[in-house]
Amino acid sequence: KAGVTQTPRYLIKTRGQQVTLSCSPISGHRSVSWYQQTPGQGLQFLFEYFSETQRNKGNFPGRFSGRQFSNSRSEMNVSTLELGDSALYLCASSLEGQGSQPQHFGDGTRLSIL
Amino acid sequence: AQSVSQHNHHVILSEAASLELGCNYSYGGTVNLFWYVQYPGQHLQLLLKYFSGDPLVKGIKGFEAEFIKSKFSFNLRKPSVQWSDTAEYFCAVNNNNAGNMLTFGGGTRLMVKP
Repeated sequence: KAGVTQTPRYLIKTRGQQVTLSCSPISGHRSVSWYQQTPGQGLQFLFEYFSETQRNKGNFPGRFSGRQFSNSRSEMNVSTLELGDSALYLCASSLEGQGSQPQHFGDGTRLSIL
Repeated sequence: AQSVSQHNHHVILSEAASLELGCNYSYGGTVNLFWYVQYPGQHLQLLLKYFSGDPLVKGIKGFEAEFIKSKFSFNLRKPSVQWSDTAEYFCAVNNNNAGNMLTFGGGTRLMVKP
C-alpha cells in the first residue's frame, strides 16, 4: 500500500510569491491534516480536511489556506510568502475523522524562501 | 489551548542503557495520546498510542508508555536501547473534540552511542 505522497519535495521561492503544495493520502483515507515544522517552533498544526470540509484550523494567518478534493487529495496554498514561511510542510492522513485514529505522515515538502 | 511539554531536548545514552522520555500535557478532558519517531532522513512514524483501557501501552521495537491521568503524563520507556534507536521522538496529544488535530511536544533528540 503506497504511503502518503507529497509533491514537490523541495521548493525555492522568493518573498511575495505564492506556492501550492500537494498531498495524496493513503488510499481509502478521508482525513488529511497539514503541519508546519521549523527548528524554532517545532511541529504546528495548520488545518485538517475531512470529506472536502475544513474541520479544524490552527493559529496561522489567512495567507495559509487549503482544500480537499473528492478523491481526498489535498492542496495547501501560501500566498504573499514571507521569510518566516521557510519550513518543512508535512501532510498526514488517517482513515476517519476520529482523533483516535493514528495519522500517517508523508516525507514533507521543504520550502525555502529567499 | 492545550500544550505538550517534553522535558528533555537532547538525550545521549550508551547501548543497553534504559530510556525514559518525559511528556506532560495540559488538557482536562478526554485525550488520545501518541508517540511518534523520526529516524534520520525518514518521515514521522507512529511508535505507540493510547485511547482507553490499560494505561500501559506497548508499541513497536520494544517501546512502551504509561498514561498517568492524575499527572497528565505519558512517558515513553525502553529497557535497553540500541544504536538504531537514534532518532527524534515526539509526544502528541489529540483532544476528543478536535477531529484529528495533534498538538506536538518540542521533541527529544536521542543519540545512542555504540
